[in-house]
Parts: sequence; C-alpha cells; structure tokens
Amino acid sequence: SQELEQSPQSLIVQEGKNLTINCTSSKTLYGLYWYKQKYGEGLIFLMMLQKGGEEKSHEKITAKLDEKKQQSSLHITASQPSHAGIYLCGADGAQKLVFGQGTRLTINP
Amino acid sequence: GAVVSQHPSRVICKSGTSVKIECRSLDFQATTMFWYRQFPKQSLMLMATSNEGSKATYEQGVEKDKFLINHASLTLSTLTVTSAHPEDSSFYICSAISRASSYEQYFGPGTRLTVT
Repeated sequence: SQELEQSPQSLIVQEGKNLTINCTSSKTLYGLYWYKQKYGEGLIFLMMLQKGGEEKSHEKITAKLDEKKQQSSLHITASQPSHAGIYLCGADGAQKLVFGQGTRLTINP
Repeated sequence: GAVVSQHPSRVICKSGTSVKIECRSLDFQATTMFWYRQFPKQSLMLMATSNEGSKATYEQGVEKDKFLINHASLTLSTLTVTSAHPEDSSFYICSAISRASSYEQYFGPGTRLTVT
C-alpha cells in the first residue's frame, strides 16, 4: 500500500524566514495534494500537483512535484504568523485517500 | 490510534431519494467532526464543521438544506443528502477531532455515493 512520509514532523521558525516541508511517497504519485489545518479546524486545500516537475504557487507558498513523481516539497517564503498550522500532504491510494503524518509549523514573532 | 468508522461504505440510490451517512468515533470522544467531499481525481473539499450539540457550520457554496448534518453525540455525526441527484455522486469522508487532542484529526474510510 502507498505510504506518505513527511519531514520534518514539526518546525519552529522565526517570522520572516523561509521554510520547506517535504513529502515522500513509497510509490509513484498520480495526484499529490497539500492541505493546511489550523488547530481545531478542518483541512483547507492548498494545491494539487499531477505532472512530474510541476510547480504551483499561491501567495507565498510554492509546491513542487519532482520529475520522478515520488517526492513533493512545500516552500513558504517570508513566513508570517498566519502560516502557522499543520500541513498535510495527501494522495489517492488504491481504495482510499492516503495522508502523511503532518508537519506542525510554529511561527515565532 | 483512534478509529473513525463510516457507514455505509458504498451506497447506490435513485434520484430524488435521501441518503444518510453515519460517522462514528469508535474509541474516543469527538467534540468536532468534519465532512468532506471528494470528486474523482480532485482534492478533498471541506463541506461543513459539526460540533456536538450545536448547528453545523457550512462552507461557502454548500447547501445546508441539501446536506443535513446532525451531531447528536460525542461519537456520532450523520450527513443526510436530501433529494439526491446524479451530480451529488461523490466520495464523502468524515473526520473527527479527539477531545483529548484538539489538533489531531482522524479520518473515516469514506462513503462512495452513486445516484442513478
């Protein structure tokens, strides 16, 4: 079965700094989703990547899918307190959605 | 780890009928449950947030009269798709937040609804 591993599991950065979260799959990804969850709230869809080498950006968040379609990274530039939360990568498994374990991001002022 | 179940896992219904989907937290109390919808090869989209004992909060664009959510207890939330139409065919997933751990979200296995 497909597994997604995220790193790091938690991250504390100073406001204004850049950061990267990685998501590695045990199998080829045919659709990779990035979500954000604020504590106690539902998942918010950020971006979806499908093609090898694809890169998408939304405001200060950029996500990339590598050429081999087994790894994705989420990069935040000039982090702000509003970026704090849990970031999850997800993919379509054989019969259900598969998620990474999440990366908890804390932004220190 | 915490377990969330959904019932049924698959349902086929005729257009115009209503379908109820149950979401249960099996070994923990869930103060909050979420309902998501996923279309084929698309992302998970949050439909509504359900808090035990209060009215659900619906996301923009989700018809609350069509997708009735009831969170009657700390272990059960139900989603009723009323007067279902073929365009309501989708994969519906619930998740629950443990009372003991407010940020851990546990997902159900999903319910595939097909409306004919």
